[in-house]
Amino acid sequence: AAGVIQSPRHLIKEKRETATLKCYPIPRHDTVYWYQQGPGQDPQFLISFYEKMQSDKGSIPDRFSAQQFSDYHSELNMSSLELGDSALYFCASSPMGDRGLGYTFGSGTRLTVV
Amino acid sequence: ELKVEQNPLFLSMQEGKNYTIYCNYSTTSDRLYWYRQDPGKSLESLFVLLSNGAVKQEGRLMASLDTKARLSTLHITAAVHDLSATYFCAAGSSNTGKLIFGQGTTLQVKP
Repeated sequence: AAGVIQSPRHLIKEKRETATLKCYPIPRHDTVYWYQQGPGQDPQFLISFYEKMQSDKGSIPDRFSAQQFSDYHSELNMSSLELGDSALYFCASSPMGDRGLGYTFGSGTRLTVV
Repeated sequence: ELKVEQNPLFLSMQEGKNYTIYCNYSTTSDRLYWYRQDPGKSLESLFVLLSNGAVKQEGRLMASLDTKARLSTLHITAAVHDLSATYFCAAGSSNTGKLIFGQGTTLQVKP
């Protein structure tokens, strides 16, 4: 079965650089969620999109922005990177209204800021 | 605001023993998830619990949900070393879809 695809799997950036993370949801899933998991921490919700519109926003820094495109893939753009941005970034997708059974996480992108 | 708390946060146990991880959440939630995570890896979905009294079992793991008490449990039966990992519970609602995670319970099973 198709899964949520995230790219790249690993990314190393220097401070003050920018990074773009990509997420390709499961076909027919119209909702995408982004989470950040720092070392030894639980995943924290960043932002979500439904039908290409932002649907909810969590603790996402102003330096980060995201969007969902017409093919439902989503990109998380991170600028002026800081050491504290080093984390695992997960994307999840679900079909709206499925009562949660289809909620699926991708394998994540490990971002290291040096 | 929905908050999720797990306990214990760290659990060291002998193989063959039983134990329970508890997950409390603060406000009404219509979905409760349990995930397993190995170090540096992704979140592996274990169980999705959607209704009061729901009980699901897979191998040595069994999860239950009591929506009135706002409590979910993950019971480990006759633990084996392969179960060593971090276990997260997460609660959400159909209104927003986002999940709020507990702090995680790191399970270490010793031979």
